[in-house]
Amino acid sequence: DAGVTQSPTHLIKTRGQHVTLRCSPISGHKSVSWYQQVLGQGPQFIFQYYEKEERGRGNFPDRFSARQFPNYSSELNVNALLLGDSALYLCASSSRTGRTDTQYFGPGTRLTVL
Amino acid sequence: QKEVEQDPGPLSVPEGAIVSLNCTYSNSAFQYFMWYRQYSRKGPELLMYTYSSGNKEDGRFTAQVDKSSKYISLFIRDSQPSDSATYLCASSYNDMRFGAGTRLTVKP
Repeated sequence: DAGVTQSPTHLIKTRGQHVTLRCSPISGHKSVSWYQQVLGQGPQFIFQYYEKEERGRGNFPDRFSARQFPNYSSELNVNALLLGDSALYLCASSSRTGRTDTQYFGPGTRLTVL
Repeated sequence: QKEVEQDPGPLSVPEGAIVSLNCTYSNSAFQYFMWYRQYSRKGPELLMYTYSSGNKEDGRFTAQVDKSSKYISLFIRDSQPSDSATYLCASSYNDMRFGAGTRLTVKP
């Protein structure tokens, strides 16, 4: 079975631009979470979606938004990019809604903001 | 103070050594504890998932949780060069909180 997939793998943007990252969960998983991992740190929770509804939001500015589609895939959008948004963005899927459920991570999208 | 503290290392051991990785957490509400392994430029891979205090063993890996002291450990027996990676501890109640990760190198 395919694991969590993310696209694109790498992305280079300039300050002020907008970016959209995409995630497809493991087949049968209905919950998708997004994390930001800055170099040298652990992942930080951004959002969780379950059945197209937002179930949790971390401490990130309103420039960050997300949505989940009927097929359970998800998009993370970041507006007005800052240099500090450079990070590995990870998507994780789980079968249920609870963020305590076992989460399986994708390979991530590495975003560089110049 | 971060909710999950982890010594970033780096930690270097010879092949075959027993590795001990440790984390502490501050939030008594945390109920679930995980260890992830992350290879360079890859996503984290779940290694161990525990709920209660005590030990959980899976092959060469043993996860230990002591809720009274808020201490989480991962032991790797007979370490292999392929175990070289960053190991992330995580704790959760509603949100999953990660430590900074410990970078481990196992030398042949």
